[in-house]
Amino acid sequence: DTAVSQTPKYLVTQMGNDKSIKCEQNLGHDTMYWYKQDSKKFLKIMFSYNNKELIINETVPNRFSPKSPDKAHLNLHINSLELGDSAVYFCASSQGGATGGYTFGSGTRLTVV
Amino acid sequence: DAKTTQPPSMDCAEGRAANLPCNHSTISGNEYVYWYRQIHSQGPQYIIHGLKNNETNEMASLIITEDRKSSTLILPHATLRDTAVYYCIVRPSVAGGTSYGKLTFGQGTILTVHP
Repeated sequence: DTAVSQTPKYLVTQMGNDKSIKCEQNLGHDTMYWYKQDSKKFLKIMFSYNNKELIINETVPNRFSPKSPDKAHLNLHINSLELGDSAVYFCASSQGGATGGYTFGSGTRLTVV
Repeated sequence: DAKTTQPPSMDCAEGRAANLPCNHSTISGNEYVYWYRQIHSQGPQYIIHGLKNNETNEMASLIITEDRKSSTLILPHATLRDTAVYYCIVRPSVAGGTSYGKLTFGQGTILTVHP
């Protein structure tokens, strides 16, 4: 009964490939996020979706394209992977308009070789 | 940029209280103070949040100064499993706008609980 689940947990791929990371939450939240944690351990928001609508889009290369088929899912597709994309990607969810905490997934460690 | 300042690291003996400070001198009236922690290789975990009043839950207590420019997270009886990076974050409470929902993480405080 995992609240926010991400797949895969680990992803190793070559430069230039296209890959996707999937995220699902069963909390009934209406807002989902993608965060990136780089090698220096800084956590930065990439995207936020509320009821399938994009509401936050930080300065992320357009090789990154989030897709939200419904409010329980937010997938991240990355085209033409580069070495600098290597990081841990965290999905999170919250109830928009509420002040409660966010629930994060366990992360996907992406390694580009 | 993060609107909070935290010490980079702290130590605490197991069983003792861990008091983690945070400065947020530019906090606005509609901004909450949130605390999260990240245990090695795991996703951040929500601990507690507050606006003006002190708060307590099963994990911790949050003490916010009267002027709201600083706060302290208290883990009353630290255990080895509390070793983690602790993040203090301010976040607006009003819905709408592009900043709503965005958590801006700083460097946090590495808390090491030792036997």
